[in-house]
Amino acid sequence: SQKIEQNSEALNIQEGKTATLTCNYTNYSPAYLQWYRQDPGRGPVFLLLIRENEKEKRKERLKVTFDTTLKQSLFHITASQPADSATYLCALGGSSNTGKLIFGQGTTLQVKP
Amino acid sequence: EAQVTQNPRYLITVTGKKLTVTCSQNMNHEYMSWYRQDPGLGLRQIYYSMNVEVTDKGDVPEGYKVSRKEKRNFPLILESPSPNQTSLYFCASSLSKQGMTEAFFGQGTRLTVV
Repeated sequence: SQKIEQNSEALNIQEGKTATLTCNYTNYSPAYLQWYRQDPGRGPVFLLLIRENEKEKRKERLKVTFDTTLKQSLFHITASQPADSATYLCALGGSSNTGKLIFGQGTTLQVKP
Repeated sequence: EAQVTQNPRYLITVTGKKLTVTCSQNMNHEYMSWYRQDPGLGLRQIYYSMNVEVTDKGDVPEGYKVSRKEKRNFPLILESPSPNQTSLYFCASSLSKQGMTEAFFGQGTRLTVV
């Protein structure tokens, strides 16, 4: 069955450092991969979308890579700030007629001042 | 402001008492869906709709119903809620099939069934 794995353990880093979050998947060939931010008790907020034929995408301090051979995406936040502390969700989609998103369980990032 | 609005935000109900969670979007999106989020299980799709009068089951549809009579509204109906439906629910909408475009999520509805 389709499976998405994100680090279940929280990632703790110091302010100013680069945070790197990993998303691995199996038994799936997504056409699109998305990253969302979720704060406690709130709905996910879209951050970035990358297509299967794109290797890398950037938006301000955010960078996403997508390696369809390794079946992996890396999500980087450079010059991290305490306000970046949240749970980050990886989501795959676009390869089925239902158009649904399949979400990973998320990785919690804690940026310490 | 582009948004997806869910109501209510919090709901405590008793087993078997029918309830409806409303969802409305103001972006003229075609695709809408409902997810539930449970600890350790992540977000799972309950039902989705690709357009008015077009709905279909997601991964965990048992115990739920939906309708899409208007493009902007996509209510979630629990005909006979049970304790295992206690969860955090999110409605989401997107311009086209989710996965291909960004999804906009509502603020969430925390449901407790006792």
